[in-house]
Amino acid sequence: KNQVEQSPQSLIILEGKNCTLQCNYTVSPFSNLRWYKQDTGRGPVSLTIMTFSENTKSNGRYTATLDADTKQSSLHITASQLSDSASYICVVIDTGRRALTFGSGTRLQVQP
Amino acid sequence: EPEVTQTPSHQVTQMGQEVILRCVPISNHLYFYWYRQILGQKVEFLVSFYNNEISEKSEIFDDQFSVERPDGSNFTLKIRSTKLEDSAMYFCASSEARRQSTDTQYFGPGTRLTVL
Repeated sequence: KNQVEQSPQSLIILEGKNCTLQCNYTVSPFSNLRWYKQDTGRGPVSLTIMTFSENTKSNGRYTATLDADTKQSSLHITASQLSDSASYICVVIDTGRRALTFGSGTRLQVQP
Repeated sequence: EPEVTQTPSHQVTQMGQEVILRCVPISNHLYFYWYRQILGQKVEFLVSFYNNEISEKSEIFDDQFSVERPDGSNFTLKIRSTKLEDSAMYFCASSEARRQSTDTQYFGPGTRLTVL
């Protein structure tokens, strides 16, 4: 059964600072890993999609990394803004399926 | 920019009643999905729909649930006899049906279902 564990559960940082969120996953066979941003009361929004062969992918101030050997991923946010306050969710998919398996997310709060 | 829309935004119903949640996927998308998120918990997959049939469903998607694409634009989720534990935010999503590894699922804003 696919499993996704994220840390930390919550994080508070000051505006302008960087942060890194962690994800450990168990999925077999692995197809791809995604990071989503979810504002409170809203639907998730895709940030990045990474396949087995990709180590790093950037989307503006968001940079995701993937280590398929250790089954770990991270999401690095640079120069945080107040609008980055949200939950960041690691999501995995196994080969042959389209159902997304979501982690519990890291709730990020950016303070002025 | 095209987006997935859902109606209603909030639905309150009595236990045992039937509810229909509606979604309008992005117009050129071919795969449609329903997910749910119980308050404070993870988002969970319910069902995917392609070419007018269910392509995949989870253990949660039992006989109480059904999906339909009644016309060229709407995609619906029906819960026949609601239970208290069906209270959740229900998200509709759609994707273009590209290769599975790169097909982005776009989520709607959700319908909050409250069962009393």
